[in-house]
Amino acid sequence: GDSVTQMEGPVTLSEEAFLTINCTYTATGYPSLFWYVQYPGEGLQLLLKATKADDKGSNKGFEATYRKETTSFHLEKGSVQVSDSAVYFCALSEDTSYDKVIFGPGTSLSVIP
Amino acid sequence: EPEVTQTPSHQVTQMGQEVILRCVPISNHLYFYWYRQILGQKVEFLVSFYNNEISEKSEIFDDQFSVERPDGSNFTLKIRSTKLEDSAMYFCASRLGQDSGNTIYFGEGSWLTVV
Repeated sequence: GDSVTQMEGPVTLSEEAFLTINCTYTATGYPSLFWYVQYPGEGLQLLLKATKADDKGSNKGFEATYRKETTSFHLEKGSVQVSDSAVYFCALSEDTSYDKVIFGPGTSLSVIP
Repeated sequence: EPEVTQTPSHQVTQMGQEVILRCVPISNHLYFYWYRQILGQKVEFLVSFYNNEISEKSEIFDDQFSVERPDGSNFTLKIRSTKLEDSAMYFCASRLGQDSGNTIYFGEGSWLTVV
């Protein structure tokens, strides 16, 4: 079945460092791809999304490009802040059934001053 | 910004007891969901609900689980006889429509601890 794989965490970075969190997916069709973020003590928030190949999603300085040829949707940010400390989930929504969102395991990010 | 709200934020219950988790989806949304996240594990799909019936459910959603939309605003998840392994964060979510452009909005979750 469809699945999402993310790089293992936790990731610890200094403030203003460059962030990459790798995400690859397996899907039979043409899924929509998402990054969700979970700040400490809070729920899941949609960070960005892309619905077709070569689309770039962006929000709050984060961006990710839907790469069908490599089945990837890596999350990047040029300069992280302490407030970016959270757990980041890569996810997909199947094109045959938009009901389900399938999540990756999550990557915990800690940004230190 | 409209949001999905969930109550309680945390509930501790004894094994074998019934639990009802409550959710108020975004008011004009039509599709409703429950997901759960066992501590340290993935967020897993449980069930989706549309037009007053279950549209899809996972293997996790067995006969101990049920969902209901008792009125025009609430969406509930009931666990009939809780087990230790039901301890998890339960997320309610809602979506306006069913296509690739419609985002699923999640609530802040309800922590269930079964002792």
